[in-house]
Order: sequence, then structure tokens, then C-alpha cells
Amino acid sequence: SQQGEEDPQALSIQEGENATMNCSYKTSINNLQWYRQNSGRGLVHLILIRSNEREKHSGRLRVTLDTSKKSSSLLITASRAADTASYFCATTNDYKLSFGAGTTVTVRA
Amino acid sequence: DSGVTQTPKHLITATGQRVTLRCSPRSGDLSVYWYQQSLDQGLQFLIQYYNGEERAKGNILERFSAQQFPDLHSELNLSSLELGDSALYFCASSEGGVNYGYTFGSGTRLTVV
Repeated sequence: SQQGEEDPQALSIQEGENATMNCSYKTSINNLQWYRQNSGRGLVHLILIRSNEREKHSGRLRVTLDTSKKSSSLLITASRAADTASYFCATTNDYKLSFGAGTTVTVRA
Repeated sequence: DSGVTQTPKHLITATGQRVTLRCSPRSGDLSVYWYQQSLDQGLQFLIQYYNGEERAKGNILERFSAQQFPDLHSELNLSSLELGDSALYFCASSEGGVNYGYTFGSGTRLTVV
């Protein structure tokens, strides 16, 4: 069963706009990770945020984590066509990394 | 190239058959993970090995088995294949456990006909 659930399922934005997607999870976690998957290809690790961290940045990515609400958000600023992909949150628990269903992001030129 | 190598990239086989998927982890990574990705089930964790030992098990069917060899490469064996086993199978590796990001291979697309 999937631990995390992303919202929205799909997002379409104009190039240059920001994209925000959310992830909610059910049980306590060690950390939360975000991955990107281009169509039919392998997942690429974007960022890991530990349970005692509240915010983390990496380039144009900003991730927040609220353990009291069991939720996280991923913000992509100044989006580019190359950001078109599916984004997954993944939570760690009991040696397992469990993925949500993903948010499909389309960036229009 | 992520450093994780999966072969073959594509596999078409008939129901009832057995196949073996191979994965070479990124150099230095001791942990190998197998995932199945399908449209209806999403990304499902199958099994993890750490330095040759099974570490965690997920939703892996009894018809499926895996192992990690002394050189750290891993194989996923799928037997008595059914149409529903058609999916993308990913291998990932990490230097440690779940507190490290995973590096994924490009996957093996299995089609059972």
C-alpha cells in the first residue's frame, strides 16, 4: 500500500510560473524524499528532508515538511519545459521507501 | 547514466514463463531495491538486499524471488508469469538504507502476452 498521497494528480502551468504540489502521509517517518520521473524512465532523486527539518532548498526546489500535519510540499520556481515530468513523494518507514501515486506536471512553452 | 544498470531494457514473454531481470548497483552502493511500477498499482516496493542479505520485503508475490550476489549485483526472478505481471521493474541502489536517496536504473519493461 502507498504511504504518501500527492495532490493534485495533475498540474499544467506556463513556463516561468511556479508549481506547487503537496504530499500527505499516514504514519510517522524517518524522512521524506521527492523524486522526478520523466515518461517511462527511471526516477531521479531530487531532495531528502529529515523528520526534524522544516524546510530545505535545492536550486529551484523548495521542500517543506510539517510532521504535525503529516504533510510536505514541493515548490518548483520559475518552471521550464524540462520540468515536465511526474513528481513523487516517498516516505521511509521500517527500512522501506514507499511512493505516492505522483503529480504529473506539464509546463507549457 | 545514473550508474545503476538494468538488463534487459525490454522483455516480451508468454504467460507461464520465467524470466530473470538483472541489476548492477552504482559503484560503492551496498543496498539494492526492486520496485514494480504499473498503471493501476503505481510504484510498489518488492524487496531490498543489503550486502547480500535480504533486509526488507514488500508486496512481493511468492512467484517472484530475488538475490544479491557477492559482487553486489542482483537478480529478480519472475516465474509462472501472468498478464498482470506486465509492468516496469526498477532496481535502485543506495549507499546505506532509507536515510539516503536512491539511485534508480532505467528499468526493464516486461510485457507478458
